[in-house]
Amino acid sequence: EDQVTQSPEALRLQEGESSSLNCSYTVSGLRGLFWYRQDPGKGPEFLFTLYSAGEEKEKERLKATLTKKESFLHITAPKPEDSATYLCAVNSGYSTLTFGKGTMLLVSP
Amino acid sequence: DGGITQSPKYLFRKEGQNVTLSCEQNLNHDAMYWYRQDPGQGLRLIYYSQIVNDFQKGDIAEGYSVSREKKESFPLTVTSAQKNPTAFYLCASSIGPGQTANTEAFFGQGTRLTVV
Repeated sequence: EDQVTQSPEALRLQEGESSSLNCSYTVSGLRGLFWYRQDPGKGPEFLFTLYSAGEEKEKERLKATLTKKESFLHITAPKPEDSATYLCAVNSGYSTLTFGKGTMLLVSP
Repeated sequence: DGGITQSPKYLFRKEGQNVTLSCEQNLNHDAMYWYRQDPGQGLRLIYYSQIVNDFQKGDIAEGYSVSREKKESFPLTVTSAQKNPTAFYLCASSIGPGQTANTEAFFGQGTRLTVV
């Protein structure tokens, strides 16, 4: 059974204070790892897909990396508008995604 | 614009009543999914469909039913058998089914169901 654990559950940063969110996973064979952003009361918004260890992807202040056991979402010089819940999910070759519980990020001005 | 449309955004239901949540997509995706989200919990899979006229139970299918008569539509019925139906429901779709489905899923904006 696929498992995804995200940490921390919540993170509070000052504007400009860089940090990282962690996503640890256990799967029988990783076919893809996905990062989403979710604002309160809205559906998740797709950010990145990573397929193999060593892969990195960037979008504005966000950078996602992948190892054989975990993925990190690095946030560089965050702004208040980066405040959201960040979700990680994995696909191990079955038809569905397994999600973690998310990390709630709050960036204060 | 391509996307996934869920309706209504808010829904109130009396105990003992069935209610149907709508999900429509114009992305030409074969696969569609229903998830439930509760505070402090991750997204939990209710049902999914990889092709028209076929669907499979997810982890928490009890008390729910679905149909997939058209590629674009995947409605979810919350029946009176669902003991704790109050939740945020999310519909998603992705390109293809099966073992090649290491592609991202795209989500609608959700329906918040409240039982009163």
